[in-house]
Amino acid sequence: QQPVQSPQAVILREGEDAVINCSSSKALYSVHWYRQKHGEAPVFLMILLKGGEQKGHEKISASFNEKKQQSSLYLTASQLSYSGTYFCGTAPFTGTASKLTFGTGTRLQVTL
Amino acid sequence: EPEVTQTPSHQVTQMGQEVILRCVPISNHLYFYWYRQILGQKVEFLVSFYNNEISEKSEIFDDQFSVERPDGSNFTLKIRSTKLEDSAMYFCASSGVYTGELFFGEGSRLTVL
Repeated sequence: QQPVQSPQAVILREGEDAVINCSSSKALYSVHWYRQKHGEAPVFLMILLKGGEQKGHEKISASFNEKKQQSSLYLTASQLSYSGTYFCGTAPFTGTASKLTFGTGTRLQVTL
Repeated sequence: EPEVTQTPSHQVTQMGQEVILRCVPISNHLYFYWYRQILGQKVEFLVSFYNNEISEKSEIFDDQFSVERPDGSNFTLKIRSTKLEDSAMYFCASSGVYTGELFFGEGSRLTVL
């Protein structure tokens, strides 16, 4: 069962902040975040593991609420390069991505 | 920077024909995957492969699909008898052990007529 993302789409002006949410009806062991620009492959942003360990890169942060089975991706001071579709993915095994199930995506557009 | 490479970038085929999509994963990675994305939709898991065997597969990955690692570098997805609904972008990905980070290739666009 795929995770649910919200919002489906968001338009920002450069410099504004955004939050993208991901929730699952199943227990989450890890949450993975990817960004896909139009016509390109998904690119890894961050992985959040059960137990609180967080990995990632770029100036984007995320939280993982295991009890609520939710994760949120925080984009602060957005840049034009942040535009794209953001997918969260959930995996059944801690730390691995043996079977990553992606959400429906959140389309983010950053304008001048 | 190491990358996953896929060929062909675009293939057009007639319904019922066999198609082989090829991938060269990052050389020191041990987990390999195929995902697909129908135009404008989400990325869907097809299969994962580790230690020369399938470790997970989805409901989409039925008997018409197969994967193979014929040598030390290539990882292939075969679709035996293509259907119209197989038209999609197929992404190969690889990952190192326990990192969870997937490195995707640029994709192979399959168009079934």
